[in-house]
Amino acid sequence: GDSVTQMEGPVTLSEEAFLTINCTYTATGYPSLFWYVQYPGEGLQLLLKATKADDKGSNKGFEATYRKETTSFHLEKGSVQVSDSAVYFCALSGLTGGGNKLTFGTGTQLKVEL
Amino acid sequence: GAVVSQHPSWVICKSGTSVKIECRSLDFQATTMFWYRQFPKQSLMLMATSNEGSKATYEQGVEKDKFLINHASLTLSTLTVTSAHPEDSSFYICSSSSGRANEQFFGPGTRLTVL
Repeated sequence: GDSVTQMEGPVTLSEEAFLTINCTYTATGYPSLFWYVQYPGEGLQLLLKATKADDKGSNKGFEATYRKETTSFHLEKGSVQVSDSAVYFCALSGLTGGGNKLTFGTGTQLKVEL
Repeated sequence: GAVVSQHPSWVICKSGTSVKIECRSLDFQATTMFWYRQFPKQSLMLMATSNEGSKATYEQGVEKDKFLINHASLTLSTLTVTSAHPEDSSFYICSSSSGRANEQFFGPGTRLTVL
């Protein structure tokens, strides 16, 4: 079945450091790929997405490129801020009857310090 | 973006009682709604998928008689935890999808604590 593997956290960075969170996936067909962010005590918010190979999703300085050849969708940001501290989930979407089922990775906690 | 609300945001109940959680899609019609459970510092576990007007499809290992899901309209789905026990304490999150663009919109979650 479909699966998503993320690097384990927590990841602790200084403000303005470069961020990479690795994500690889296993799926049949051509899934859509997503990064969600969860701030403490809140639900998930969509950060960015890509629906086909070589697409680059971007939002709020974060980027991720859908790499079919390496089945990866790594999240990057050039300069993190304290406000980026949160848990980041990589996910893929495969089709089920009547809707689109999301498979999540285990999440990576990011802590950004001054 | 689309807005999904959940009510209540947190609830504390006694063991053996039932608790209902509402999930509302505020500004679009959700053909499909999903219910997830999240344990501390872990990922989201899909519990069930519900389509408006039909029975929910439960994931393997999820007790359908314990977690009752009703999706009576295109904007409302409810999850009822029946005869709750302390092990049911968790963060429950719903999401809604209109079926387009493979995207789900998530509610803010409901923290359930069973004493």
